[in-house]
Amino acid sequence: EAQVTQNPRYLITVTGKKLTVTCSQNMNHEYMSWYRQDPGLGLRQIYYSMNVEVTDKGDVPEGYKVSRKEKRNFPLILESPSPNQTSLYFCASSLVGGGTGYEQYFGPGTRLTVT
Amino acid sequence: AQKITQTQPGMFVQEKEAVTLDCTYDTSDQSYGLFWYKQPSSGEMIFLIYQGSYDEQNATEGRYSLNFQKARKSANLVISASQLGDSAMYFCAILYAGKSTFGDGTTLTVKP
Repeated sequence: EAQVTQNPRYLITVTGKKLTVTCSQNMNHEYMSWYRQDPGLGLRQIYYSMNVEVTDKGDVPEGYKVSRKEKRNFPLILESPSPNQTSLYFCASSLVGGGTGYEQYFGPGTRLTVT
Repeated sequence: AQKITQTQPGMFVQEKEAVTLDCTYDTSDQSYGLFWYKQPSSGEMIFLIYQGSYDEQNATEGRYSLNFQKARKSANLVISASQLGDSAMYFCAILYAGKSTFGDGTTLTVKP
């Protein structure tokens, strides 16, 4: 089944404790992206990747890191999480991200709470 | 910079009627893609419809159609024959060269 998987789905952690949220897709998509969604707001793009080893900042990259060493994986790293990073996080992928793009396939979301 | 504005925080529609969800956008790019996604209360994001900026015909996908007016920079979603299962949050988004911006969404409630 074609899908984007994220782990963990739920995470409660403490301020400053490094964490990684994994994202994996099995559709051989070139483009992957991370978003955060806060109550009452739409999705805001954190980082995106047009292909392996190519990543770029979205609108809200502060406090986050990403890497794209393999085509299928795009982990999101919070080196020193803070309470303002409490949010619902989505990973997405699409065939390509260049030009006018294609529809994105979203993972199920990761609900992160930082205390 | 790209911007999406969805001016209707909440909308109600009677079952079986049509409803239009508004979306206006701002971008300096000549080439871009416009997307609509649905987010039910269960939280997943579901792709509905896509319109390329150079597409001359309005996109349609089943009961969904996109009323694209490029000069006015609007990309309204029309849902025909609303069903109870259409109750959800709807997001308009713009994408170009990997950069993606979403609106704040419209909550649609379908009344029986």
